[in-house]
Amino acid sequence: KQEVTQIPAALSVPEGENLVLNCSFTDSAIYNLQWFRQDPGKGLTSLLLIQSSQREQTSGRLNASLDKSSGRSTLYIAASQPGDSATYLCAVRPSTGGFKTIFGAGTRLFVKA
Amino acid sequence: NAGVTQTPKFQVLKTGQSMTLQCAQDMNHNSMYWYRQDPGMGLRLIYYSASEGTTDKGEVPNGYNVSRLNKREFSLRLESAAPSQTSVYFCASSEQYAGSQPQHFGDGTRLSIL
Repeated sequence: KQEVTQIPAALSVPEGENLVLNCSFTDSAIYNLQWFRQDPGKGLTSLLLIQSSQREQTSGRLNASLDKSSGRSTLYIAASQPGDSATYLCAVRPSTGGFKTIFGAGTRLFVKA
Repeated sequence: NAGVTQTPKFQVLKTGQSMTLQCAQDMNHNSMYWYRQDPGMGLRLIYYSASEGTTDKGEVPNGYNVSRLNKREFSLRLESAAPSQTSVYFCASSEQYAGSQPQHFGDGTRLSIL
């Protein structure tokens, strides 16, 4: 059964710091992996989606990498800002078992001004 | 741009009461989903509708029913609410079920069962 783990559960950094959020999954048979942002009291906003055949995706200050063989993905945030404070969730779509998306519990990020 | 709209935003029920959560999307998406989010557990799929006219169970379907009313609307019903169903419920949609497009989420319904 696919499981998705995100470490750390919470992270506090000073403004301007480059940071990495980690996501690991137990089964490498995935269709794609997606990173989301969730603000308090809000839904999820898709940040980046990486297909299984891709190694990374970039959007502005965000870069997500995927290593299927080791079951890991990282979300790199450059020059962090207070507005980046949110919970970041990783989700994998298995390529077997009906494609049901499996979410990690998220990393709660706080960027201090 | 409305995207995915959920109603109501908040609801308090007593054990045993029934209620329907409503979801509508205006992006002409084929697939729609209902998730619940509990502290420390991430999102779990309750039911999904890969296309209009079809519905299937997700990871935690017990105690829930769904209706894909038309292409735009997908409702979630609690027939007899239990305290274990206290959660935040999210509706999502995507162009295709097995496609590469991302899922788009509503802002959620916060449901408390007393």
